[in-house]
Amino acid sequence: GAVVSQHPSWVICKSGTSVKIECRSLDFQATTMFWYRQFPKQSLMLMATSNEGSKATYEQGVEKDKFLINHASLTLSTLTVTSAHPEDSSFYICSAPGTSNSPLHFGNGTRLTVT
Amino acid sequence: DAKTTQPPSMDCAEGRAANLPCNHSTISGNEYVYWYRQIHSQGPQYIIHGLKNNETNEMASLIITEDRKSSTLILPHATLRDTAVYYCIVRLLSNSGYALNFGKGTSLLVTP
Repeated sequence: GAVVSQHPSWVICKSGTSVKIECRSLDFQATTMFWYRQFPKQSLMLMATSNEGSKATYEQGVEKDKFLINHASLTLSTLTVTSAHPEDSSFYICSAPGTSNSPLHFGNGTRLTVT
Repeated sequence: DAKTTQPPSMDCAEGRAANLPCNHSTISGNEYVYWYRQIHSQGPQYIIHGLKNNETNEMASLIITEDRKSSTLILPHATLRDTAVYYCIVRLLSNSGYALNFGKGTSLLVTP
């Protein structure tokens, strides 16, 4: 079945630095990918929609200048957390639709810890 | 998308069937019922989806009431590895620009 690969699976960084998270669709092309964030004991919250060849669309309250999204190709979207702060520590998950009638497929997430 | 209501938690003995309910009383005629689960510190895993007929696959069965206002996910022989948070989501099938909106789900604990 369709597989979404996310890298890295975990990362620790210092405050003020930037972190890039990659999301790849391994055996299918994805013109759209979705980025979610999940805080401990909470549900997934949609952050933004990544669109190949155009700008990402962000959900209300998500800072587009802080969470930079680049959909470089039909199989790769990246999320860069810029000038990270401890409150950005969270579990970030990407997803992509497969065929036109298939449900979303999710990566295994990236655990970000900002110290 | 229609809102769903699930119990916050459930327990199930290993080897027994786990029946997870979901209410979606405002579902519209062209909205599907999706089930995902999330094992701790992993991404959500697709389980099953359906429109109005009951569905079965290698993971589970989905029973949708005739009025479509509620559904039940059935794990026929629960194992310890089925311990996870289960999300029932209602939305249109068309995928290209639509994300899934996750509620709080049901935390299922399978006990030995």
